[in-house]
Amino acid sequence: DQQVKQNSPSLSVQEGRISILNCDYTNSMFDYFLWYKKYPAEGPTFLISISSIKDKNEDGRFTVFLNKSAKHLSLHIVPSQPGDSAVYFCAARLNDMRFGAGTRLTVKP
Amino acid sequence: GAGVSQSPRYKVAKRGQDVALRCDPISGHVSLFWYQQALGQGPEFLTYFQNEAQLDKSGLPSDRFFAERPEGSVSTLKIQRTQQEDSAVYLCASSLARGRGPEQYFGPGTRLTVT
Repeated sequence: DQQVKQNSPSLSVQEGRISILNCDYTNSMFDYFLWYKKYPAEGPTFLISISSIKDKNEDGRFTVFLNKSAKHLSLHIVPSQPGDSAVYFCAARLNDMRFGAGTRLTVKP
Repeated sequence: GAGVSQSPRYKVAKRGQDVALRCDPISGHVSLFWYQQALGQGPEFLTYFQNEAQLDKSGLPSDRFFAERPEGSVSTLKIQRTQQEDSAVYLCASSLARGRGPEQYFGPGTRLTVT
C-alpha cells in the first residue's frame, strides 16, 4: 500500500520563479512530514520537516505547507535556482518513514 | 563532521551469491535504518536499530535478508542467495534518538546488481 504519493514525476520551472512540489498521504496518524533532496549517486539530503500539529514551516527559500483535512503537503521553493535541480522526496513518519516516489525538479537558467 | 558512509558503493553479484553491505553511521547517532530503493521509486523501509537492538524488521522482504549492529555503531546488511529482484540501491540512514527530531541522515547507498 502506497501511503505517500507524489503524483508528478517531473516539474520544470524558470530560474527565479516559484517551484511547488506536492505530496498526498493516506494515514492520518503520521506525526512528522519531511522533504528530502537527492542528487544522482548520492543519498537523500534532509531539507525541511513539519510536525503534524503545524500547518507551515519556513527555512530560507523553502516553505512546507500542511493541509491535514486534505491530507496534502507541499514544498515551495522561492526563488528557484539552477542548483535546486534534483529529485525531491516527500516522506512521512509513523514508526518508520514512508517515502513518495519522488519528483524530478529542473530549474532552467 | 563525517556523514554516514556505506561500502561498497557498487556491488555486482551472481545469482545465488551472498553479499554483505556495510554502514558506518554518524558518531553518536542511536538510531540506524536500512532502506531499499528500486529504480524510479522512493526508499522503502527494511529494518531499524536502536543501539544494538533490532526493534523493527518488518520491512525485510524475505528470510534471505539479515541485518545486525552488534556494538551499536557499524551495521551490516546481509543478503543470502541473491536473486535478480534484489537488484536495487540499499540506503543506510542514522538519526539521534527518537524524540530529538525526525530527520534521518542518509549515506550514499550501495548499488547492488544481481546478474
